[in-house]
Amino acid sequence: SQQGEEDPQALSIQEGENATMNCSYKTSINNLQWYRQNSGRGLVHLILIRSNEREKHSGRLRVTLDTSKKSSSLLITASRAADTASYFCATDDKGGAQKLVFGQGTRLTINP
Amino acid sequence: NAGVTQTPKFQVLKTGQSMTLQCAQDMNHEYMSWYRQDPGMGLRLIHYSVGAGITDQGEVPNGYNVSRSTTEDFPLRLLSAAPSQTSVYFCASSYSVKIPAFFGQGTRLTVV
Repeated sequence: SQQGEEDPQALSIQEGENATMNCSYKTSINNLQWYRQNSGRGLVHLILIRSNEREKHSGRLRVTLDTSKKSSSLLITASRAADTASYFCATDDKGGAQKLVFGQGTRLTINP
Repeated sequence: NAGVTQTPKFQVLKTGQSMTLQCAQDMNHEYMSWYRQDPGMGLRLIHYSVGAGITDQGEVPNGYNVSRSTTEDFPLRLLSAAPSQTSVYFCASSYSVKIPAFFGQGTRLTVV
């Protein structure tokens, strides 16, 4: 089964609101990454948080990591229509092979 | 720099046919990988490579072969196409699995 699991699977909010997506994983990791995928396109890297970090910011993005719960959250503040996309978390396995494994993703829709 | 280039963008195959999906990167990345993306399944790792001459299996390797004769290229071969291989295929590369990956734009494959 996949390393990362996102929650919720789909999220629809009004423009200007904040959007929060969660990711859970199963094994010890070196870092956790978040990616965005616009419809019909490849994935674009958003932010990386290392296992010894608890919170990281990048513009309107805030990522938290709780290694004791094996979970992460991605917060997008002041959402815009252009934020409509699917968001995926990805993790590597600290004790295993060099594989980057993705979750199933959260489909975010921002309504104008 | 072109980044990660995948060809073709679209392909229709008949059951039993074979073909090769091409992936090339010009960033001198050691780590390359292939994923397939099916609706509601996120991205699943097919095969990956940590350098020229080194490949390994991911989550769903059956029916696919890879080789890594050069740093730049990482082709994915479908040996005998089956309808279950209908999917969107993404190639990705990075210096290592521990840092952000660059993705190609994807190949949409339909097997009839």
